[in-house]
Amino acid sequence: GAVVSQHPSWVICKSGTSVKIECRSLDFQATTMFWYRQFPKQSLMLMATSNEGSKATYEQGVEKDKFLINHASLTLSTLTVTSAHPEDSSFYICSASGTSGSGVRSYNEQFFGPGTRLTVL
Amino acid sequence: RKEVEQDPGPFNVPEGATVAFNCTYSNSASQSFFWYRQDCRKEPKLLMSVYSSGNEDGRFTAQLNRASQYISLLIRDSKLSDSATYLCVLEGDQGGKLIFGQGTELSVKP
Repeated sequence: GAVVSQHPSWVICKSGTSVKIECRSLDFQATTMFWYRQFPKQSLMLMATSNEGSKATYEQGVEKDKFLINHASLTLSTLTVTSAHPEDSSFYICSASGTSGSGVRSYNEQFFGPGTRLTVL
Repeated sequence: RKEVEQDPGPFNVPEGATVAFNCTYSNSASQSFFWYRQDCRKEPKLLMSVYSSGNEDGRFTAQLNRASQYISLLIRDSKLSDSATYLCVLEGDQGGKLIFGQGTELSVKP
């Protein structure tokens, strides 16, 4: 299967600061990346869908000005949590789907990154 | 009503037991269904896709009942390593979006 990495794996920050999370597809071209958030004992909730080179599509209730998503290349998407507050503390997970580097194999399956645990003090 | 509903459990079973999870979904137009496994503080991993004809992978069997809009997962001869949260997932009708259930927690005891 394809490999997706996330960085950092965990981060602790002060209230009011911004945090950037990177999601990389290591061995395939991620034409689409998805960003999820998971609170303890709850399901993964899709925050936004981003297609390479275009603006992200946000789910209802997700503030696009607070959660900035950039998908500038076929292997990298970033999520920036701006002016983070304690209620933003959560497990943020990205996933990616796309094609192999040669464009031969299509990955309709979503491959998940290992997640980033954000704690805002 | 939630799009995907699961009994959160926990299900506490002894090693070797057979355990079954059910999941119901509300959107009759859903086409693709999956079971994912999520270990504590880790990302979800695809366990198996669910087909109308049912499918089996070793000790795991998944079934789909479109008429009643439910999906099941059966685990036979459970192992300690099966302890995890099992997520019922369906693909939404827009661009490959996945919709996750809350998950059912399984704890297999020696």
